[in-house]
Amino acid sequence: DSGVTQTPKHLITATGQRVTLRCSPRSGDLSVYWYQQSLDQGLQFLIQYYNGEERAKGNILERFSAQQFPDLHSELNLSSLELGDSALYFCASSVDTGLVEQYFGPGTRLTVT
Amino acid sequence: LAKTTQPISMDSYEGQEVNITCSHNNIATNDYITWYQQFPSQGPRFIIQGYKTKVTNEVASLFIPADRKSSTLSLPRVSLSDTAVYYCLVGERWRDTGFQKLVFGTGTRLLVSP
Repeated sequence: DSGVTQTPKHLITATGQRVTLRCSPRSGDLSVYWYQQSLDQGLQFLIQYYNGEERAKGNILERFSAQQFPDLHSELNLSSLELGDSALYFCASSVDTGLVEQYFGPGTRLTVT
Repeated sequence: LAKTTQPISMDSYEGQEVNITCSHNNIATNDYITWYQQFPSQGPRFIIQGYKTKVTNEVASLFIPADRKSSTLSLPRVSLSDTAVYYCLVGERWRDTGFQKLVFGTGTRLLVSP
């Protein structure tokens, strides 16, 4: 158990819909990362927050957005969902920013039908 | 962030030592080398991190030559449970300003057989 929690574990929704994925980092970790992993793309970095502020951006679509709240939990919002958005979404946290050890959550499996 | 190149897959048998090499020719002076392990449908798990020479912990060793253009993850006496994907990452360790794109790459699929 990494100490990072993600909800929900599974999510099935239809195209065009909007969903919110939630992540609670390990106690004391200030940095939160979001990753998308699909079968044909591997593990893709989406976005990083540090203590409430956006710090790094990867291949995140404009339909996707994220935020980190004062209690340090984070939410990833996915809108206008497409079939290709079906994937595992991982959240990770670390004590600081930069390439330090990241602790990954169990992931949310999103299926868009 | 330095681009990394790893073998796509490797096969081994239980009890053998496995060495996975990662090439990172354009590694920068402040870059560290980090390895992660991932089992199917689970999040990656940190294995080891190093800057130069040799680093060892309870699960693996990391060998980094003087020019730091490559690194080798060594797994001693692998077991069936070591079957996983192994990722090599290279990037600056302490950086709290500016953007830093984190790239895991395709990783190396290690299959350990009885």
